[in-house]
This record gives sequence, C-alpha cells and structure tokens, in this order.
Amino acid sequence: QVQLQESGPGLVKPSQTLSLTCTVSGGSISSGGYYWSWIRQHPGKGLEWIGYVYYNGNTHYNPAVESGVIMSIDTSKNQFSLRLNSVTAADTAVYYCARGAEWLGFFDPWGQGTLVTVSS
Amino acid sequence: DIQLTQSPSFLSASVGGSVTITCRASQDITSYLVWYQQKPGKAPKLLMYATSTLQSGVPSRFSGRGSGTEFTLTITSLQPEDFATYYCQQVKSYPRTFGQGTKVEI
Repeated sequence: QVQLQESGPGLVKPSQTLSLTCTVSGGSISSGGYYWSWIRQHPGKGLEWIGYVYYNGNTHYNPAVESGVIMSIDTSKNQFSLRLNSVTAADTAVYYCARGAEWLGFFDPWGQGTLVTVSS
Repeated sequence: DIQLTQSPSFLSASVGGSVTITCRASQDITSYLVWYQQKPGKAPKLLMYATSTLQSGVPSRFSGRGSGTEFTLTITSLQPEDFATYYCQQVKSYPRTFGQGTKVEI
C-alpha cells in the first residue's frame, strides 16, 4: 500500500526558507489521477490546505498561503517537495503530505506529519 | 472560498451511545463532502467521501448524509477508539477547505 513520509528540518529561523520533502513508497508518484498535496495544522488548530503538485509538475496553491510557496516533484526519486519562503512564527505548524484523489478529492493516505517551528 | 462550519465544536458521549456532527457549507457543494477522524499526535484518517461512501475498513457504525449545504456524520454504538476529533472537508472547489473540527470526548 502507498505510504508517505515527510522529512526536513524541525526548526527554521524567521525570514528563512522552510523546505520539506515527502517520500512516497509502495506506488509510483508518476501515475496520473492523484494530486500530491501539502496540508498544515497550526498547534491546537484545524487543517489548512497549502496546495498540490501534479505528476507533470503542474501546481495549484491556496491563495491564502500562495505568497512564497513553491512545490515541486521529482519522479526519479518518487518524492515531492514544499518550499515556503520568508517564514514567520505564523508558519509554525505540523506539516502533512498527502495523496489527493483527482476526481473524488479526498486525501488518503497521509504522512505522519512533521512539526516545523519557526523561531530564532 | 467555501467556508465549512461544524457544530458542535465539542461533544461529550458515552461508550455505546451515538453522536451526530453537523457540517454546514457557505454555498452549495452538492455531495462533494469528505469526513476525517484525527487522534492526538496522528494524521487525519479518511472515514468517508462523497458524503456517504465509507472508506474501506471503516466500520458501518459510521454514516453520512446530506446534500447542498448541510451534512451530518453519525456514529452509533460508540466505541472507545471513536473518541477523537472529526473534520469535514469540501472537495467541490479550490481552495480545498476544512471545517474547524468537532472533538468527541468521553
């Protein structure tokens, strides 16, 4: 079965760049029909969809967080990535990667999540 | 953006009992609604999609109904493992949005 795993620094300084990678196992990231997505959850809060990258590199971002967001995909490594520039304390959150179903829209499976703290 | 409002935010229930959570959308999303369950420290888990279709492996004590702007998630015969936070999500349009969550407590 498909599994996702986030990796990246757990601490980022304000104004710097947050970079996370999601490694997909048990299936090919190159197969169509899925949107490879990032979702975050601020401490004790709800879920916020950040955006997705498609297998062909097409992206779609949430306008609420669009500024400074770049997503990319590396099919040779079966990975996709999130970069968030010029972070502030408001970007402190648990970041999840997830596979989004193209037609039905749901996210499944999810990675376990990684806490990223923005602090000097 | 489509706003989703869940009610209540907190719910107390007993093992063996039943609960109903409501999710209201700010505009018509037909049946494009998804439900997740999240336990502390864990990623959300897909429960059902298209309003009422159970994800494989999800017990039949979970059920969903609704259309348009009002949806419900009902859990009957509550089990200890059902005490968690539940989120609805709309998949009608972008950006994808979630409800604020409903915590079901013992």
